[in-house]
Amino acid sequence: QKEVEQDPGPLSVPEGAIVSLNCTYSNSAFQYFMWYRQYSRKGPELLMYTYSSGNKEDGRFTAQVDKSSKYISLFIRDSQPSDSATYLCAMSRGGYQKVTFGTGTKLQVIP
Amino acid sequence: EAGVAQSPRYKIIEKRQSVAFWCNPISGHATLYWYQQILGQGPKLLIQFQNNGVVDDSQLPKDRFSAERLKGVDSTLKIQPAKLEDSAVYLCASSLGHTGLPYEQYFGPGTRLTVT
Repeated sequence: QKEVEQDPGPLSVPEGAIVSLNCTYSNSAFQYFMWYRQYSRKGPELLMYTYSSGNKEDGRFTAQVDKSSKYISLFIRDSQPSDSATYLCAMSRGGYQKVTFGTGTKLQVIP
Repeated sequence: EAGVAQSPRYKIIEKRQSVAFWCNPISGHATLYWYQQILGQGPKLLIQFQNNGVVDDSQLPKDRFSAERLKGVDSTLKIQPAKLEDSAVYLCASSLGHTGLPYEQYFGPGTRLTVT
């Protein structure tokens, strides 16, 4: 079993839709939860991070962490064609422990 | 602020040949990472440096891969000899280290390696 599981998609939605991206994990020691966005032929860029459980909002993006279920989500409101990319969840035990990435979900927002 | 620089951007080699990748992190970033990203997968950490010391190299195939970070700045990742399964994008990332958020990593554009 992989430490971090993520549906690879692809996920196609119309412009303006609410997008829900999810990851599950098996390691209860993970404390930091991140979402990265990766455009084609580019390196990943950090979108949001959350420490422990709870919600965090940044503009059109909301990250949720449910440690009891070992489940994290990223919601994108009013999705735009420019949001078309691969979204990677990532997790760490904290400190300077390594970051473990999911496989990424490819999202396409259709105008 | 300049980002993480990597070269070359693309490389095609035959199996059993050797190859080297170079990375220049963001100025002042103490921590440097090398990741391997195989098509359709997330990045996998190969090695993590804190200044010029190795923090984690548990997933580095040490029989063929080597990395160094002389003077705690630039870094080189080498593969010798290459295998077909080494075809991937090699990503370099950096972070501030002890003075910043460890998970706030900044990635370079990557080097796309094809082994034929």
